[in-house]
Amino acid sequence: DAKTTQPPSMDCAEGRAANLPCNHSTISGNEYVYWYRQIHSQGPQYIIHGLKNNETNEMASLIITEDRKSSTLILPHATLRDTAVYYCIVLMNYGGSQGNLIFGKGTKLSVKP
Amino acid sequence: KAGVTQTPRYLIKTRGQQVTLSCSPISGHRSVSWYQQTPGQGLQFLFEYFSETQRNKGNFPGRFSGRQFSNSRSEMNVSTLELGDSALYLCASSLDGQGTTFFGQGTRLTVV
Repeated sequence: DAKTTQPPSMDCAEGRAANLPCNHSTISGNEYVYWYRQIHSQGPQYIIHGLKNNETNEMASLIITEDRKSSTLILPHATLRDTAVYYCIVLMNYGGSQGNLIFGKGTKLSVKP
Repeated sequence: KAGVTQTPRYLIKTRGQQVTLSCSPISGHRSVSWYQQTPGQGLQFLFEYFSETQRNKGNFPGRFSGRQFSNSRSEMNVSTLELGDSALYLCASSLDGQGTTFFGQGTRLTVV
């Protein structure tokens, strides 16, 4: 079973920030938080990941709470092309296979004009 | 740098047939994983290969198998196809199982 809990759906106005929450209360100290998104019928796309510090890249920002029990993915200026299902995944990032990504149901983000 | 490439993109097969799907990982990536995505079950892990060896396996019947070649390219095979095998099959690669995993666009298999 997925170790994360996400709201099933969210709406966001185009041009506004989209804030997608994720709860991972059982995360262990050596597990990272990864975010992927999947646009309809395409393969999942890597967005960002982090361990305990906030992270930012050209796509998004990741805010992880100090106790690491939850995180928020922020898309600063959402566009219609950001409409997708967003998956939050926790997993170890070392020592053998990372191949076993466990996907939950994710959050379906709808960006509206 | 080319991404993960899967062929074919679409496939229609008849029940009872077998099918082989192909995946070329990102250059330099040695770990290749396969996933099945259906509307009912979501994204489910099939297996992972690293250096031509299966390293992890999900909970799928033996009809689902795979292999990896010395150039890290991978194939998965499904024998005796069932209607329920209709799905999007996704291949993903990473450097060595440690680090970020990147996905291909998938092969849409329809069993009729």
